[in-house]
Amino acid sequence: LAKTTQPISMDSYEGQEVNITCSHNNIATNDYITWYQQFPSQGPRFIIQGYKTKVTNEVASLFIPADRKSSTLSLPRVSLSDTAVYYCLVYLDTGRRALTFGSGTRLQVQP
Amino acid sequence: ETGVTQSPTHLIKTRGQQVTLRCSSQSGHNTVSWYQQALGQGPQFIFQYYREEENGRGNFPPRFSGLQFPNYSSELNVNALELDDSALYLCASSFRAESQETQYFGPGTRLLVL
Repeated sequence: LAKTTQPISMDSYEGQEVNITCSHNNIATNDYITWYQQFPSQGPRFIIQGYKTKVTNEVASLFIPADRKSSTLSLPRVSLSDTAVYYCLVYLDTGRRALTFGSGTRLQVQP
Repeated sequence: ETGVTQSPTHLIKTRGQQVTLRCSSQSGHNTVSWYQQALGQGPQFIFQYYREEENGRGNFPPRFSGLQFPNYSSELNVNALELDDSALYLCASSFRAESQETQYFGPGTRLLVL
């Protein structure tokens, strides 16, 4: 079962761009890369999903190199409300269709 | 469009009791997954329901069971509650697709077992 590896924690200041990198060396051909955001005592919130190259939506960008062994979530101009845990997931185990969460990256944004 | 809802929001039970948690899936979704999230950890997959049948299960004992109804809503039942069952229980709904499907989570039910 492939794993994802991401930093345990990151610190930033308001207005800065934050890049969180996730490695997934064993990603399978059909797997997508998905990022979720979670605030304390709330359900994870879907941020962005991609397969290759670059995906952008209103809240973030996702950069995926050609070998797809890693991905980078980019949050432009973070604010205090972006303080949360961010999970990188590779859609594994198509038989069970289960999401496998790691420990995530705890992002702390300071004023 | 209505998102995923869960009830109740909070629940306190004692060891040995049984509990039922409920989930209404997002409009247009036909699949429901349940996750358990202990404090400080990522969510752990319990099981998934599609077409009213269990369609995959994580590493949880049989005292964790579920149902999916014709309207795609779902229940999670836990029998013989143990102290370690205290956690945030998350429901996620999705539309079953051949390959990728995106799961959308509800707010969760916080269960405390005393």
